[in-house]
Amino acid sequence: ETGVTQTPRHLVMGMTNKKSLKCEQHLGHNAMYWYKQSAKKPLELMFVYSLEERVENNSVPSRFSPECPNSSHLFLHLHTLQPEDSALYLCASSQGISDPGAFFGPGTRLTVL
Amino acid sequence: GQQVMQIPQYQHVQEGEDFTTYCNSSTTLSNIQWYKQRPGGHPVFLIQLVKSGEVKKQKRLTFQFGEAKKNSSLHITATQTTDVGTYFCAGRPSGAGSYQLTFGKGTKLSVIP
Repeated sequence: ETGVTQTPRHLVMGMTNKKSLKCEQHLGHNAMYWYKQSAKKPLELMFVYSLEERVENNSVPSRFSPECPNSSHLFLHLHTLQPEDSALYLCASSQGISDPGAFFGPGTRLTVL
Repeated sequence: GQQVMQIPQYQHVQEGEDFTTYCNSSTTLSNIQWYKQRPGGHPVFLIQLVKSGEVKKQKRLTFQFGEAKKNSSLHITATQTTDVGTYFCAGRPSGAGSYQLTFGKGTKLSVIP
């Protein structure tokens, strides 16, 4: 058990849908992250939050909108996605943004039709 | 931007043989991390290397950080079927205020019993 949970585990959505991914960490960490894992591409860092403030946004399209209401929860709001956005979306947390060892959640497998 | 190259992409070994994966960064790193992802699973943090020339061991796994802090390797002695998975390196660039962690594409290890 990693201490980082993600829901849903699988999601199929149309291009006009709006959905949200949820991440919760039970480790008392102060930093949380969203990553995208596509086939044949390296893991891509999307967003970084430290103490509920966004500190990094890696040129992610606006159709992805993160939200961090507190240090234990992280959301990724999705709207008008494209088929190429289909991927595994991984949430991770660490003690601090410069601390080693991100703890990853199991991921949400997203398919955009 | 920073690039992290990892080779080989795939490696098939007979159980009991050794395995090595190599990681090279286009820029100097402040540290490098290694992760393992089992099939169908999520990345799990293995170790972080910080010092130039650093060598760390975890049972049958040996991790090295190059003198120039631009390359790293992971060596597994006498592989077992439990070693199956994809091994990723992730480098954090030198420089203040950088939270970026750039991942390599990973080396997928198959172990033939």
